[in-house]
Amino acid sequence: EAGVAQSPRYKIIEKRQSVAFWCNPISGHATLYWYQQILGQGPKLLIQFQNNGVVDDSQLPKDRFSAERLKGVDSTLKIQPAKLEDSAVYLCASSLQQLNTEAFFGQGTRLTVV
Amino acid sequence: AQSVTQPDIHITVSEGASLELRCNYSYGATPYLFWYVQSPGQGLQLLLKYFSGDTLVQGIKGFEAEFKRSQSSFNLRKPSVHWSDAAEYFCAVGAVGGGNKLTFGTGTQLKVEL
Repeated sequence: EAGVAQSPRYKIIEKRQSVAFWCNPISGHATLYWYQQILGQGPKLLIQFQNNGVVDDSQLPKDRFSAERLKGVDSTLKIQPAKLEDSAVYLCASSLQQLNTEAFFGQGTRLTVV
Repeated sequence: AQSVTQPDIHITVSEGASLELRCNYSYGATPYLFWYVQSPGQGLQLLLKYFSGDTLVQGIKGFEAEFKRSQSSFNLRKPSVHWSDAAEYFCAVGAVGGGNKLTFGTGTQLKVEL
């Protein structure tokens, strides 16, 4: 079974530029999550989708971050404009359903904003 | 709001020695509890999880954890550490009915001396 796929693996951009990350969850997984992991910290949930609907985006900085999962399968996370403090690893995860199931994580995208 | 505390930022053990990583959580009801491991440049891999039932949970790679409600703890243990266990370990709590939203601790970096 293929795991959660993310691209790119690494990205370096200048502040105020825009960037997009892509995630393809495990086939059949209805729930998709984007987490931000800043160096030295645990992952923090940014947004959670159930199929193509948003379940929780309470910690998403909506002035600069956006995410979509239009067809209920793959998802993109965008930052525009990027700030230095956005430097982090962005992890995508998916689970079969919302409750009582584990989340499987991708390898992440390491973003460096200079 | 739920929270997780991992009091040890770094732990060093000798290969073959026993290991215990501490995790304390704060949550108003019975939580879902998880331990994940992250190797450099990799995503998070689930070691074990507790949803209900037996409070001693067995996981992969010889790890186990015990849920102690009275102490709000979910410590991870392994009787004999292997050099390949060197990685960062994250404890996470999920809210029952909270859509699998995970709150992670800050992680414990494990170093194994040969």
